[in-house]
Amino acid sequence: SQQGEEDPQALSIQEGENATMNCSYKTSINNLQWYRQNSGRGLVHLILIRSNEREKHSGRLRVTLDTSKKSSSLLITASRAADTASYFCATVRYNNNDMRFGAGTRLTVKP
Amino acid sequence: NAGVTQTPKFQVLKTGQSMTLQCAQDMNHEYMSWYRQDPGMGLRLIHYSVGAGITDQGEVPNGYNVSRSTTEDFPLRLLSAAPSQTSVYFCASSQGRFTGELFFGEGSRLTVL
Repeated sequence: SQQGEEDPQALSIQEGENATMNCSYKTSINNLQWYRQNSGRGLVHLILIRSNEREKHSGRLRVTLDTSKKSSSLLITASRAADTASYFCATVRYNNNDMRFGAGTRLTVKP
Repeated sequence: NAGVTQTPKFQVLKTGQSMTLQCAQDMNHEYMSWYRQDPGMGLRLIHYSVGAGITDQGEVPNGYNVSRSTTEDFPLRLLSAAPSQTSVYFCASSQGRFTGELFFGEGSRLTVL
């Protein structure tokens, strides 16, 4: 079964607005990552947050991690039409070799 | 650097046929994996490898075989294709087990009739 579940499944906003996506997972993790996928393309890594970290920033991206609630959020500030894509969270489970993905959030940013 | 290269990009098979999806990476990564992506299901792990000669099963391994004879290559074999294997397949690699950051290929779209 999938480890991560993103919420919402789809999100539509206007350019300039902020977009927030959430991810919940089930078991203890080593780290959690967010990926982006443009239509018809492979996934591209955005940011990684380790289990002992609570918040990370990268440009317009802000990721938080709450291990007590087994959840993470990805915030994209000042969104652009080019941010339109699907966003996936992925977890590396503690003491495990694999990475499991959620079903993704489809973000549409209208110009 | 080419990164992760998958071939073919598109393939149509008839039920019962066999084929191999090729995956090669030029980053000297230890870890390689295969995922399938179906609408509404996200990515599901099929098989993975933590180094040459070592492979293991993921979430949905049935109907697929893998081998890892070299660090660079990780082919995925469909022994007897079924319509349920119609999907987009992604190969990915990373530096190590827990290092994170997977590098993905562009995908192989497979249709089984």
